[in-house]
Amino acid sequence: AQTVTQSQPEMSVQEAETVTLSCTYDTSESDYYLFWYKQPPSRQMILVIRQEAYKQQNATENRFSVNFQKAAKSFSLKISDSQLGDAAMYFCAWTSNTGNQFYFGTGTSLTVIP
Amino acid sequence: DAGVIQSPRHEVTEMGQEVTLRCKPISGHDYLFWYRQTMMRGLELLIYFNNNVPIDDSGMPEDRFSAKMPNASFSTLKIQPSEPRDSAVYFCASSLLPGLDGTGELFFGEGSRLTVL
Repeated sequence: AQTVTQSQPEMSVQEAETVTLSCTYDTSESDYYLFWYKQPPSRQMILVIRQEAYKQQNATENRFSVNFQKAAKSFSLKISDSQLGDAAMYFCAWTSNTGNQFYFGTGTSLTVIP
Repeated sequence: DAGVIQSPRHEVTEMGQEVTLRCKPISGHDYLFWYRQTMMRGLELLIYFNNNVPIDDSGMPEDRFSAKMPNASFSTLKIQPSEPRDSAVYFCASSLLPGLDGTGELFFGEGSRLTVL
């Protein structure tokens, strides 16, 4: 069975600093997709970034980037120049290339300190 | 597209009452998922549909829960009778098979917050 593990229930970062959120997963499949979702207090789930497993290049979206280590089954999220609006719960998620199952981690609550 | 639309946004009901949550997925999406989120258990997959057909309902907690998708643009999650432990935020999400649009992304509705007194 696929599992997604986020070992950091809570993290904090100073405004304008950089923070890295960890995620590991377990799968026997070779082709899959990984995602980071953000859930602010409004509770809306918002896609932050996605990574296709067949791509070796790490995905980047403005201040958000990932460190995808396929062999280690690790998918961390780096937030640079943290802003107050980045404060939220962050979920790591995995889906196969058939898209019929999404597995979510338990989330990391990020606090941004002014 | 307006995104995934859920109703109601908030529902407060008394134990024993029937609750119906509604979802309109993004047009053209062939997968629809129902999730439940609580502080204690996080995000739990309840059931998902592919092309309106229920594929996996192993996450449905018990017979009090039922879900239907009568057509590609509408799904319901019903709880009858409701209990206080059903209080949670219920999310509907839809997606398109990866490769067809290349993303595999799950698009979420804004959720329905259910409180059972």
